Amino acid sequence: NAGVTQTPKFQVLKTGQSMTLQCAQDMNHNSMYWYRQDPGMGLRLIYYSASEGTTDKGEVPNGYNVSRLNKREFSLRLESAAPSQTSVYFCASSVDPGQVQETQYFGPGTRLLVL
Amino acid sequence: QQQVKQSPQSLIVQKGGISIINCAYENTAFDYFPWYQQFPGKGPALLIAIRPDVSEKKEGRFTISFNKSAKQFSLHIMDSQPGDSATYFCAATTTSGTYKYIFGTGTRLKVLA
Repeated sequence: NAGVTQTPKFQVLKTGQSMTLQCAQDMNHNSMYWYRQDPGMGLRLIYYSASEGTTDKGEVPNGYNVSRLNKREFSLRLESAAPSQTSVYFCASSVDPGQVQETQYFGPGTRLLVL
Repeated sequence: QQQVKQSPQSLIVQKGGISIINCAYENTAFDYFPWYQQFPGKGPALLIAIRPDVSEKKEGRFTISFNKSAKQFSLHIMDSQPGDSATYFCAATTTSGTYKYIFGTGTRLKVLA
């Protein structure tokens, strides 16, 4: 099992450009998440999908959109990139929210630089 | 009320020493408290977790101490090793349907050989 995979690993964008970050998991997990990680800020939730067909906003959703394409895939789109979106983006998945020992499994991250 | 406050921001420990990282929360609805370990260039990975019905959980050299009345929990790394050098995040969530972790801001641990 590959676990959680993310593409691309690294991307440079100019202000105003758009791009889609891809995430896939092969663990048959129901829930998927997108986080951004910034120095001194920890991990902040952008959007999440509790199950296939549902998405909901997290702590910092402005400037982003998501699509839960199917049970395996959850993409994050930046429609018009801004320098403030320079960050490391992590996708994560979990079996089911609300489980007693719920664990989120993280991908390797996508490093995004917006000039 | 949704914040999880983590300290210190960075920590340097000698090999064989004890590393202690502290977290505090306000939301009494939180009922699951995991710690994640992140090595440079990698995604975070679950290290150890605790629920508030116990005051301590130990797995090898890693121990979580939990104080429900003070709304605080801490990670203790005994006999710290250079391989433990990483960033550690505490987190909190409710397991009754919110689906969201609230992460602390992270502690960068360096263990000197």
